[in-house]
Amino acid sequence: EAGVAQSPRYKIIEKRQSVAFWCNPISGHATLYWYQQILGQGPKLLIQFQNNGVVDDSQLPKDRFSAERLKGVDSTLKIQPAKLEDSAVYLCASSSGTGDDGELFFGEGSRLTVL
Amino acid sequence: DQQVKQNSPSLSVQEGRISILNCDYTNSMFDYFLWYKKYPAEGPTFLISISSIKDKNEDGRFTVFLNKSAKHLSLHIVPSQPGDSAVYFCAASAGGGSQGNLIFGKGTKLSVKP
Repeated sequence: EAGVAQSPRYKIIEKRQSVAFWCNPISGHATLYWYQQILGQGPKLLIQFQNNGVVDDSQLPKDRFSAERLKGVDSTLKIQPAKLEDSAVYLCASSSGTGDDGELFFGEGSRLTVL
Repeated sequence: DQQVKQNSPSLSVQEGRISILNCDYTNSMFDYFLWYKKYPAEGPTFLISISSIKDKNEDGRFTVFLNKSAKHLSLHIVPSQPGDSAVYFCAASAGGGSQGNLIFGKGTKLSVKP
């Protein structure tokens, strides 16, 4: 079974530039998450999708971050304009949404450095 | 304010001995707890979980204990192996398993020495 795919793995940009990250979840997984992990911290949820609808985006800085999952499969996370404090690893995760095991499957992450 | 706390940033253990990783939480609404393991340059991978209706869950060398009155859980690894060296994240959710937003601790870096 293929895992969660993310790209690019690494991205370096200057502040005020824009960047986009792509995620392809595990086939059949209805729920997709974007997490931000700052160095030395645990992952923090930015947004959760159920199919193509947003379940929770309460911690997404909406003035600069946006995310979409138009067809209920792939998702993109965009940052525009980027700030220095956005330097982090952006993790995409998916789950089947069934049962109560709570297991999220994470991708390898996209590491963003903002200079 | 951190709702899930892992107060030990690092832990070093000899191969074959027991590793005990601790986690405290503040939100009494949390009803599901998970441990994730992360190697460098990889995403976190699920290790073991426990529902608040239980006080222990075991899977091979890994056991998670939950003390609800103390709002504390721990992960025991017995025996520890060098391949267990990784960062371990404690996570919690409210509202039941995969339905809830996972709140992660900052992680504990485990080093198992041969």
